[in-house]
Amino acid sequence: AQTVTQSQPEMSVQEAETVTLSCTYDTSESDYYLFWYKQPPSRQMILVIRQEAYKQQNATENRFSVNFQKAAKSFSLKISDSQLGDAAMYFCAYRNAGGTSYGKLTFGQGTILTVHP
Amino acid sequence: DTEVTQTPKHLVMGMTNKKSLKCEQHMGHRAMYWYKQKAKKPPELMFVYSYEKLSINESVPSRFSPECPNSSLLNLHLHALQPEDSALYLCASSLGILPGGYTFGSGTRLTVV
Repeated sequence: AQTVTQSQPEMSVQEAETVTLSCTYDTSESDYYLFWYKQPPSRQMILVIRQEAYKQQNATENRFSVNFQKAAKSFSLKISDSQLGDAAMYFCAYRNAGGTSYGKLTFGQGTILTVHP
Repeated sequence: DTEVTQTPKHLVMGMTNKKSLKCEQHMGHRAMYWYKQKAKKPPELMFVYSYEKLSINESVPSRFSPECPNSSLLNLHLHALQPEDSALYLCASSLGILPGGYTFGSGTRLTVV
């Protein structure tokens, strides 16, 4: 079974600064997908960024980027130029590729990010 | 339409009540999911429907009964719940094997009294 570990229950950052959230995972599969989701107090889970395991290039979405280290099974999220609206619970998630027409997401325990003005 | 709509947003029910949660999407997604989420915890998968057929039941108690009447609609019927079932219930949908196709609704906050 796959597991996802987020070792930082809480993190804080000053507005306009950079913060990195950590995530490690364990799997015996070679092909899979990794995600970072954001869940603000409004409760909706919002996809921040995704990474396909077969791609060596790290994914980037505007101020959000990942450091994907496949051999180390590490998938950290870097948020640059942090904004007050970035404050939320962040979940790292894993999904096997292929096999079925649906995907089961395995989530980490989450990291609460606080942004200070 | 790029949303998953869940109703109601809040629900308070007694332990002897019967109620239903509703989830709707019109994105053509063929996989739909129910998740249960306790405060400050990750979502826990309950059920997966793929092409309107139940594909995964994560050993959920029978007091939760899912239903997928068509490809756009997913219901969760609730009966004889316990206070520990109080949680946020999230619905999601996905394109299936394509990555990143998950879209979540904003959830139903359920309180069992």
